[in-house]
Amino acid sequence: DQQVKQNSPSLSVQEGRISILNCDYTNSMFDYFLWYKKYPAEGPTFLISISSIKDKNEDGRFTVFLNKSAKHLSLHIVPSQPGDSAVYFCAASLYSGGGADGLTFGKGTHLIIQP
Amino acid sequence: GAVVSQHPSRVICKSGTSVKIECRSLDFQATTMFWYRQFPKQSLMLMATSNEGSKATYEQGVEKDKFLINHASLTLSTLTVTSAHPEDSSFYICSAPSGGAWGDTQYFGPGTRLTVL
Repeated sequence: DQQVKQNSPSLSVQEGRISILNCDYTNSMFDYFLWYKKYPAEGPTFLISISSIKDKNEDGRFTVFLNKSAKHLSLHIVPSQPGDSAVYFCAASLYSGGGADGLTFGKGTHLIIQP
Repeated sequence: GAVVSQHPSRVICKSGTSVKIECRSLDFQATTMFWYRQFPKQSLMLMATSNEGSKATYEQGVEKDKFLINHASLTLSTLTVTSAHPEDSSFYICSAPSGGAWGDTQYFGPGTRLTVL
């Protein structure tokens, strides 16, 4: 039962354009969402997160949007740069404010930025 | 951001041996750490939650007697794969939460590639 879904295994975007990575979840109890970037044989690197009380969080070139009613979030990267090429994981937590919980990850989307 | 280290980064062992993987939070204390496993082209799967001073909690389907977890201090958790078999070959990653603006953000170690021959 995949509670966090990233339905696009890969995405190719031209350098300078906007990259939009999508993520859907099924568990309405998830309270906190994170995006991670990962290179092969390395641990994930934290990018940006959003609490369920928000619908948008922005950090530099990265913006995450959350639509709770649709159980959908997306990561926007603009402008896309060659160094953004990596696998991006969406993760969700049952974080209740009292401590951290283990994360539930999607399967990842391989973003390829073309020059 | 916070830094989490893992050691070793890569290990090859014979079937039946035990392998210990260390996870350290370098610039912050972590009463809780998490262990994940990632098979090729798969997602990261949470294996267990390591709790300092108490027993680890394991996810369904993870054998606690096979994957021994010890959270010896506020900066160190170890995962020991006992009597390893080829099917245990995987990429093991630990994480530790550190306070962020809206809650705890988990920082990941660089991972350990285990190959069991």
